[in-house]
Amino acid sequence: DQQVKQNSPSLSVQEGRISILNCDYTNSMFDYFLWYKKYPAEGPTFLISISSIKDKNEDGRFTVFLNKSAKHLSLHIVPSQPGDSAVYFCAATLQGGSEKLVFGKGTKLTVNP
Amino acid sequence: NAGVTQTPKFQVLKTGQSMTLQCAQDMNHNSMYWYRQDPGMGLRLIYYSASEGTTDKGEVPNGYNVSRLNKREFSLRLESAAPSQTSVYFCASSPRAPEQYFGPGTRLTVT
Repeated sequence: DQQVKQNSPSLSVQEGRISILNCDYTNSMFDYFLWYKKYPAEGPTFLISISSIKDKNEDGRFTVFLNKSAKHLSLHIVPSQPGDSAVYFCAATLQGGSEKLVFGKGTKLTVNP
Repeated sequence: NAGVTQTPKFQVLKTGQSMTLQCAQDMNHNSMYWYRQDPGMGLRLIYYSASEGTTDKGEVPNGYNVSRLNKREFSLRLESAAPSQTSVYFCASSPRAPEQYFGPGTRLTVT
C-alpha cells in the first residue's frame, strides 16, 4: 500500500514557464515533507521541505505548498530552467522526528529550451 | 569534504554469491541508512542506524545484513544474492531527522 503517491510519472514544460509537481499522501500521521531531486547516475539531493504546521515554504525559485485537509502537496518551480530536468521525489516522515522517510515513485521533469 | 561515498559503483554477481557494499561519510553524522531503488519505484529503506552500535530494520530488510562499523562507516551485506536483489543501492547519512544526504549509489546486477 503506497503511502506517498506521485501519480504523474513525467512532466514536460518549456523553459521559463512554471513546473508544478504533485504529491498525495494517505497517512495522516505524516508531519514533515521533503522534495528531493535526482539526476541520472547520482544520488538524490535535498531540495526543499515543509512542516505540517505550515502551508507554504519558499526557497528561491522553488515553493512547496501543503494542503493538509486534502493530504496533498505540490512543488512549484518558477521559472523553470533546463538544468531543472531531473527526477523529483516527494518524501514524508512520521511525527516525532522519525528516522524513516517514505518516498513516492518520482516524477521525471523535462524542461525544454 | 567528500560527503557520502559508496564502493563499488557497479557490481555483477551470480546467484548465490555474497558481497558487501561499503559506505562512509565524513560529515560526523550520527544516523546512516541503506535504500534500494528499483525501476519505476521510489527509494525503499532496507536498514538504518541511528547511532554507532545500533541498527534497525526498514521496509525491505529480508536478504540483507548491516554493520555499523564505527561512526563513519555503514556496510550492507548480501549473504546469498538473488536476482530480485538487482537494484541501485543508495547509502545516506543524517545529522538530524529528517534531513538525509545521499551517496552516488551502487548499481548491482544479480544474474
